[in-house]
Amino acid sequence: GQQVMQIPQYQHVQEGEDFTTYCNSSTTLSNIQWYKQRPGGHPVFLIQLVKSGEVKKQKRLTFQFGEAKKNSSLHITATQTTDVGTYFCAADRGGNTPLVFGKGTRLSVIA
Amino acid sequence: GAGVSQSPSNKVTEKGKDVELRCDPISGHTALYWYRQSLGQGLEFLIYFQGNSAPDKSGLPSDRFSAERTGGSVSTLTIQRTQQEDSAVYLCASSLQGEGTQYFGPGTRLLVL
Repeated sequence: GQQVMQIPQYQHVQEGEDFTTYCNSSTTLSNIQWYKQRPGGHPVFLIQLVKSGEVKKQKRLTFQFGEAKKNSSLHITATQTTDVGTYFCAADRGGNTPLVFGKGTRLSVIA
Repeated sequence: GAGVSQSPSNKVTEKGKDVELRCDPISGHTALYWYRQSLGQGLEFLIYFQGNSAPDKSGLPSDRFSAERTGGSVSTLTIQRTQQEDSAVYLCASSLQGEGTQYFGPGTRLLVL
């Protein structure tokens, strides 16, 4: 079935360093969503990307959707300890089908 | 309510017992999902309800798992004859439409002894 590959699985950074997680699909997506799960918490919606080549920013977070709508990335500039958690992408294949979540990237930030 | 609620928040059971987990979605949300998350792992899709359509059960790991959604609102996930490998956090999410933003509940942490 549909798979969404997300890399890396883990990332450890020093506070102030940048961080990027990538999400790749073998098929064209209708849209892609990003979620953040803090340790001990539940996933919380961050953003949805719909258009080919779309770029959206939320403060230090930059989200991109590839031109072919098959891949996406989340980039965090100058990480802070509050960025710690697992970041999931979720792919929408269109139609009445459920979202497909990537396995997530767990970010650790060392102060 | 303001968000998705789940009960119980924690459940400890003995191997072989049946358990029922409940999810109250956000009022008006037509789509409801169940996921399972083992410690430190990703989200494992279990089942998806969308309006009056037949549920997508493709993620249920075995026939010991079943789910209902009554009246298009509350959902119950039932695990029969629980096994130790069923221990995990079970998360419920709802959305306005099938492809919309998902709002997650706090989860039920299940421990099978």
